Amino acid sequence: SQKIEQNSEALNIQEGKTATLTCNYTNYSPAYLQWYRQDPGRGPVFLLLIRENEKEKRKERLKVTFDTTLKQSLFHITASQPADSATYLCALDNGNQFYFGTGTSLTVIP
Amino acid sequence: DTGVSQNPRHKITKRGQNVTFRCDPISEHNRLYWYRQTLGQGPEFLTYFQNEAQLEKSRLLSDRFSAERPKGSFSTLEIQRTEQGDSAMYLCASSTPWQAEYGYTFGSGTRLTVV
Repeated sequence: SQKIEQNSEALNIQEGKTATLTCNYTNYSPAYLQWYRQDPGRGPVFLLLIRENEKEKRKERLKVTFDTTLKQSLFHITASQPADSATYLCALDNGNQFYFGTGTSLTVIP
Repeated sequence: DTGVSQNPRHKITKRGQNVTFRCDPISEHNRLYWYRQTLGQGPEFLTYFQNEAQLEKSRLLSDRFSAERPKGSFSTLEIQRTEQGDSAMYLCASSTPWQAEYGYTFGSGTRLTVV
């Protein structure tokens, strides 16, 4: 069956450093992969999309890579700030809807 | 447009009661999705509408769950004979036909507690 795995451990980093989050998947061949941010008690907020034929995409301090051979996406936040503290979810398309990973909790320490 | 609106924000109900949640999507979005999220997990897909047609339902959506989108605008999700395992955050999202480009817009969710 299809499976999406994200870093199970919470990630704590110092302000100003680069945070790197991982999303691995099996039994999938998604055409699109998305990253969302979720704050406690709120719905997820869309950040970035990357297509299967794109290796990398950037938006401001965010960078996403997509390796369809490794079946992995990496999500980077450069020059991290305490306001970046949240849970980050990857989501893969499966035709008409997206399936989400379990998320990685990120805490940026001032 | 103020985004995707969900009501109520919180619902506490006794086991065995029926509950209904409402979602008002962004007006120009013809696709509407329901997800369920429990603590520490990602959102789980429940069902999907394109306009008023319910096009896909997850195996997670038991016979006690029903969703409607009667006029292709707002949607309701009803849970009959609630069980404690139904306690979760119920999220609604909407998107355009080009949903992949812009992602889903989620509401803030309805948190259901079954006691």
